[in-house]
Amino acid sequence: GAGVSQTPSNKVTEKGKYVELRCDPISGHTALYWYRQSLGQGPEFLIYFQGTGAADDSGLPNDRFFAVRPEGSVSTLKIQRTERGDSAVYLCASSSTTAASQYFGPGTRLTVT
Amino acid sequence: GNSVTQMEGPVTLSEEAFLTINCTYTATGYPSLFWYVQYPGEGLQLLLKATKADDKGSNKGFEATYRKETTSFHLEKGSVQVSDSAVYFCALLDYNQGGKLIFGQGTELSVKP
Repeated sequence: GAGVSQTPSNKVTEKGKYVELRCDPISGHTALYWYRQSLGQGPEFLIYFQGTGAADDSGLPNDRFFAVRPEGSVSTLKIQRTERGDSAVYLCASSSTTAASQYFGPGTRLTVT
Repeated sequence: GNSVTQMEGPVTLSEEAFLTINCTYTATGYPSLFWYVQYPGEGLQLLLKATKADDKGSNKGFEATYRKETTSFHLEKGSVQVSDSAVYFCALLDYNQGGKLIFGQGTELSVKP
């Protein structure tokens, strides 16, 4: 079946703008995760959802970052007033439960100029 | 807190050489351990996993054994191929701290013909 999909694959935006990144998890997966990967580093956890609710948002770096999953499927990561330091690859993963293996999407490369 | 440390890369090997990529972890609970692989231009793929002490995960000729006494999960392959060239990430998941994965910094492997 289809894997995790993310759109857009690339996003270039100017400093100070607002961006939305979308994740479509594997069908039937109740857990959804967002990570951020800077060049040459491992992914770092941002937030995860169990169903519609954010079960753990401890990795969000500040209040400019927000994520939603209103119907328990697709999720959107929202970044306000983008800064150059937000440039990274944003990864989404899903799993059938929080105890199960996580499967990653191809990522969205965000560049803030 | 929980953390994962991998050997630094890049690791350069000739085809058919033996591969070891070291990974050690620090965790307060009883984590599950994973190896993910990122091929050039592609997303993160789950390579193998182990969920308890002394478990051995294996896939595509790669193996790793969960060693609680040495807090290690070293990745091995008896005979590497050029197609194994990629970045390898070790990760842990501590269910007591939610469903997030904690990654090492990644080890780049380059296999020459």
